[in-house]
Amino acid sequence: DTGVSQNPRHKITKRGQNVTFRCDPISEHNRLYWYRQTLGQGPEFLTYFQNEAQLEKSRLLSDRFSAERPKGSFSTLEIQRTEQGDSAMYLCASSLVTVLGSYNSPLHFGNGTRLTVT
Amino acid sequence: AQKITQTQPGMFVQEKEAVTLDCTYDTSDPSYGLFWYKQPSSGEMIFLIYQGSYDQQNATEGRYSLNFQKARKSANLVISASQLGDSAMYFCAMREGGGGADGLTFGKGTHLIIQP
Repeated sequence: DTGVSQNPRHKITKRGQNVTFRCDPISEHNRLYWYRQTLGQGPEFLTYFQNEAQLEKSRLLSDRFSAERPKGSFSTLEIQRTEQGDSAMYLCASSLVTVLGSYNSPLHFGNGTRLTVT
Repeated sequence: AQKITQTQPGMFVQEKEAVTLDCTYDTSDPSYGLFWYKQPSSGEMIFLIYQGSYDQQNATEGRYSLNFQKARKSANLVISASQLGDSAMYFCAMREGGGGADGLTFGKGTHLIIQP
């Protein structure tokens, strides 16, 4: 079963350092999403891609965050100059959306990358 | 305003009993989907069940069913014959079809603990 894969599972970094996370979606899925989840909260939408195009960014995505999906396959999420408030679980998800619409397509999530900024 | 409201932060239930997890939603879009996810302590989000706004019947998937009351904007998850492995966080989520943000909007979750 080739589900959504995220690496690394855990990342501990010092404040001010840059970090990069990788997500490999389910191979036939055309949409890829990044979410952030803090303790005791539901996941919050950050951004999503349709193939290689980044179509939407949340206000939560400050200019220190950048996401890419070259060639429409895997995606990376980079956080520059990390702050303690960036400590969270970063979840990646993918879905297959047809021309008929997207609202009935479930998102399939990876296991997440837990970031701790010290 | 909250788009997804889950009013039960935590629940304790005896094994083998049925459980109802509450979810109410807010949208003016006629086309939307409602989803439930399970998140065990290991962290992965597991898709459980989906209900579309135009679906006439309540969705069912094995021991999971969704009690969809459209006029009340309610989409409660029912787990029949609960098992110890059902202990987890449960999130209700909505996706609107009207061209807004494509991602799911999640509630704050309910922490379900099944007791032997």
